This record gives sequence, structure tokens and C-alpha cells, in this order.
Amino acid sequence: SYVLTQPPSVSVAPGQTARITCGGNNIGSKSVHWYQQKPGQAPVLVVYDDSDRPSGIPERFSGSNSGNTATLTISRVEAGDEADYYCQVWDSSSDHYVFGTGTKVTVL
Amino acid sequence: EVQLVESGGGLVQPGGSLRLSCAASGFTFSSYEMNWVRQAPGKGLEWVSYISSSGSTIYYADSVKGRFTISRDNAKNSLYLQMNSLRAEDTAVYYCARRAVAGTGGFDYWGQGTLVTVSS
Repeated sequence: SYVLTQPPSVSVAPGQTARITCGGNNIGSKSVHWYQQKPGQAPVLVVYDDSDRPSGIPERFSGSNSGNTATLTISRVEAGDEADYYCQVWDSSSDHYVFGTGTKVTVL
Repeated sequence: EVQLVESGGGLVQPGGSLRLSCAASGFTFSSYEMNWVRQAPGKGLEWVSYISSSGSTIYYADSVKGRFTISRDNAKNSLYLQMNSLRAEDTAVYYCARRAVAGTGGFDYWGQGTLVTVSS
């Protein structure tokens, strides 16, 4: 089965840039979606199709995808960005959606 | 306003059954593909099942295949998950989530979740 690997945690100071990676075999050939989840809340889609943003998501959230790694970048990090972040793909070989292991972003 | 409201969670003994419901409003439910996603306490997200807009195509995670059944009633704007032969490892918050039409389909709306606890 297809596996997506994320770092367990990322720490960043306010105003700096956070980069969250999502590793998978040839993930660059797939479309990657990213979700933000705050404690006690449902996930929120922040980036879809590698780099597109749903309406209402700040431009500070951006994404890229190439080779074996997709990346979610949060620019000018704010305290409110502290949350768990998950990547997701559709694995057509198994007809399964797959979520990454999740990354906890801590704002110092 | 798009709303997804899950119900039906609760405490059930191992081997028991439970039926979850997801009531949709604020959009044309029959036009959208839907999913169930779960999250065990303190753990990450796990996709459970997918159903096409008409109900003709269905997929399951390996961990629930043969035990869970997804269905929908477009006339009632409702999504369901019938869970049989429940195990302790099925304990989780279960979310229904709408697959976006735009692009290749991230999940653009989620319900608030319903907690299923499997324990004796």
C-alpha cells in the first residue's frame, strides 16, 4: 500500500516560514491535498491539487510537489497557525485515499 | 451554507454493530462524492470509505472491508456507514467529508464528527 511520511513536528518562530514535507514514492505524479486540524476541530482543506488554495485560505499557505516530496509552506507564521497538518493523495493502484502521518506545527 | 452533521455514535461492545448517519444541507447532495474518515484518540486521520454521487462506485480501506458498508440516500440528503463486527481498534471519531468538485478532489467540507467507542 502507498505510504506518506511526514515529520512528527516542526517548530517555527512567529513571522518566519514553516515548511512541512510529505514523502511518498513518486508523489510528484500524484495530486496532493493538505489539511489543517486544530485541537477538537474537524480538518480544514488549506491546499488542493499540490498548490491551489480554497477560497478563504490566506495566501501565506502554498504548496509544491516534485519527485518524491510534496511541501506545504506557511509564510509569515502566526500563532493561529499552530495545528496538526496532514497531506493526502488518491492512490489509483489500490483505489484508496491515503493520509500522511501528520505534522504538529508549534509556534514558538 | 454547507453543513454536514454526523450522528449515531456511541458505546458498543466488541462484535456489535452501529449505524452512523450524516445529514447534508446547503448544497446539491446528489452531485457530490462523499467519504467517511476516522481518527482514533490521539492519532492521525484514516480514510475509511468512499461512495460516488450515484452510489454506484464504492471503495473501502482494507481495515474495514467486509465489516463496514457505506450507502447514501440522495432523496434524503443523507450518507450512512453501517459498521458490523466492531473491534476495539475501530474506536475513533468518525467524520463524513465531501469530495470537492474542483480539481482532483480534496475534501472541502467536513462534519464535526461522531465518537464511536468499542469497549466491553
